[in-house]
Amino acid sequence: LAKTTQPISMDSYEGQEVNITCSHNNIATNDYITWYQQFPSQGPRFIIQGYKTKVTNEVASLFIPADRKSSTLSLPRVSLSDTAVYYCLVGDQAGTALIFGKGTTLSVSS
Amino acid sequence: EAGVAQSPRYKIIEKRQSVAFWCNPISGHATLYWYQQILGQGPKLLIQFQNNGVVDDSQLPKDRFSAERLKGVDSTLKIQPAKLEDSAVYLCASSLAWTANYGYTFGSGTRLTVV
Repeated sequence: LAKTTQPISMDSYEGQEVNITCSHNNIATNDYITWYQQFPSQGPRFIIQGYKTKVTNEVASLFIPADRKSSTLSLPRVSLSDTAVYYCLVGDQAGTALIFGKGTTLSVSS
Repeated sequence: EAGVAQSPRYKIIEKRQSVAFWCNPISGHATLYWYQQILGQGPKLLIQFQNNGVVDDSQLPKDRFSAERLKGVDSTLKIQPAKLEDSAVYLCASSLAWTANYGYTFGSGTRLTVV
């Protein structure tokens, strides 16, 4: 079973900021939070990873509150090309492979 | 750097036939994964290799699926005999090490249709 819960789908318009929240109530001390993006007919692509507070890269930001029981992926000013499925995963350093849930299907319209 | 290569890209077979998929990971990546993704679902782990040893194959249907990673580089996944419910995309991924703070790089997958 996936360790995370996220919305099945979200809709947005071009130029808006999109925030996808993921719940991981049973996150362990050593677990990292990782987000992947998947386009149709492609494999998932790593977006961002964090352990606590805030992480930002050229694609997105990841906000993690102090209790780490949830996290929020923030996509600034989305475009049509951001339409994809977004997966939130937690995993530790013990070598256990990441378990994917159903993800959040983001649809961006013009 | 070159990505994870998979072949074939598509495959259509009849039930009870056999099929094999090939994966070439990113050079230097010690850990290799095979995932099965059924339409509308997230990827499901089938097997994880560390170099040429199996770390986790608990989700692999061993009565019909087999996988190997010779010399710790390329890997093949075989299904024999195939069933209709095996229709899915088979994704190969690799990572530098088997810790979660290294991202996985996925290939584009092999889409299998069993008729």
